Amino acid sequence: NAGVTQTPKFQVLKTGQSMTLQCAQDMNHNSMYWYRQDPGMGLRLIYYSASEGTTDKGEVPNGYNVSRLNKREFSLRLESAAPSQTSVYFCASRGRPGGTEKLFFGSGTQLSVL
Amino acid sequence: DQQVKQNSPSLSVQEGRISILNCDYTNSMFDYFLWYKKYPAEGPTFLISISSIKDKNEDGRFTVFLNKSAKHLSLHIVPSQPGDSAVYFCAASEAVSGGGADGLTFGKGTHLIIQP
Repeated sequence: NAGVTQTPKFQVLKTGQSMTLQCAQDMNHNSMYWYRQDPGMGLRLIYYSASEGTTDKGEVPNGYNVSRLNKREFSLRLESAAPSQTSVYFCASRGRPGGTEKLFFGSGTQLSVL
Repeated sequence: DQQVKQNSPSLSVQEGRISILNCDYTNSMFDYFLWYKKYPAEGPTFLISISSIKDKNEDGRFTVFLNKSAKHLSLHIVPSQPGDSAVYFCAASEAVSGGGADGLTFGKGTHLIIQP
């Protein structure tokens, strides 16, 4: 079982470049999430999608856009990368929004912006 | 304002002993709590959870205790093993979405090191 798959695993960008982080899940989950992890900061929610066709801002959405392409895929786009966006990005999914269901995480994308 | 706090960035425990990881929260709307374990270069994986209607949940070597009045929970690992060395995140959510942001709210994590 693949679970939650993220691509790429590593990426180096120059300031001002754009890129899209891809995420796909094969668990037929309705809800998907993007988090970033910074040293000493834990995981912070960037954007989430409670169901196909909906997206909402999380705690730290500035500088990012998302697309829920279909039920399986949820992408995160950096339009103009900044050094402050250097981080490890995790995609996650769960069966339904809210509730007591746990999140399943991908293995992460390590992004460096120079 | 940090709603989920893990005040110990790291903890070193001898193999075979008990590891106790602590977590405090401030949001009284949280009623479901989870612990995640994370190895380097991997995503967090679910470990154990507890609902606010309980004060204890046990799964093998792992037990989570919840003290609602103190807004405090702890994870006990007995006995600690070398493979338990990882970063542990405490997380919280509202079981029924109150209309605010969905997802889990995480603490900053505690790096547990099991000494042989």
